Amino acid sequence: AQTVTQSQPEMSVQEAETVTLSCTYDTSESDYYLFWYKQPPSRQMILVIRQEAYKQQNATENRFSVNFQKAAKSFSLKISDSQLGDAAMYFCAYRGNTGGFKTIFGAGTRLFVKA
Amino acid sequence: DADVTQTPRNRITKTGKRIMLECSQTKGHDRMYWYRQDPGLGLRLIYYSFDVKDINKGEISDGYSVSRQAQAKFSLSLESAIPNQTALYFCATSDTGIDGGELFFGEGSRLTVL
Repeated sequence: AQTVTQSQPEMSVQEAETVTLSCTYDTSESDYYLFWYKQPPSRQMILVIRQEAYKQQNATENRFSVNFQKAAKSFSLKISDSQLGDAAMYFCAYRGNTGGFKTIFGAGTRLFVKA
Repeated sequence: DADVTQTPRNRITKTGKRIMLECSQTKGHDRMYWYRQDPGLGLRLIYYSFDVKDINKGEISDGYSVSRQAQAKFSLSLESAIPNQTALYFCATSDTGIDGGELFFGEGSRLTVL
């Protein structure tokens, strides 16, 4: 079965600095999708960024980018120029193409942003 | 209005009571999911449905049941609530397109079982 591991329960970053959140996963599939979701204090979950496993190029969305290492099964999220509004819980997620196309989540990393 | 709406947003109940959490969506998606969020555990899948006639158990379905009343409606029931079912519950939808299965979430239903 697939698993997703986020080893950092909490992280903090100074406003305007850069922070990297770690995620590793385990799978035997070769084709899948990876996601980072953000959950602010409002508790509404929203998609930050997605990566398709068959694409070698790392995904980027404005200040958010990923470092996707398929062989190492690693999928880290880099937030550049951190803003106060980035403070939230971040979840790494995996969705394979077998087993019912279910999305599996990591335990989450709480990010604090210091002014 | 939100694309995925959950009711109630917050509920306190007592052990042994029957509880229903409702979810409706206007996104036109076929796939709907119920997840449970607990601190330190992330989100865990309870049930999912790919259409009205297709209901599947997730990893933690014991103690829960679901009903897909229509394409747009998917409800979660706790027949006899117990304290360890205290959690934040999310309904989500996804399309079958090429977006990789991005999930669209409701605002969550916080359930407390005393």
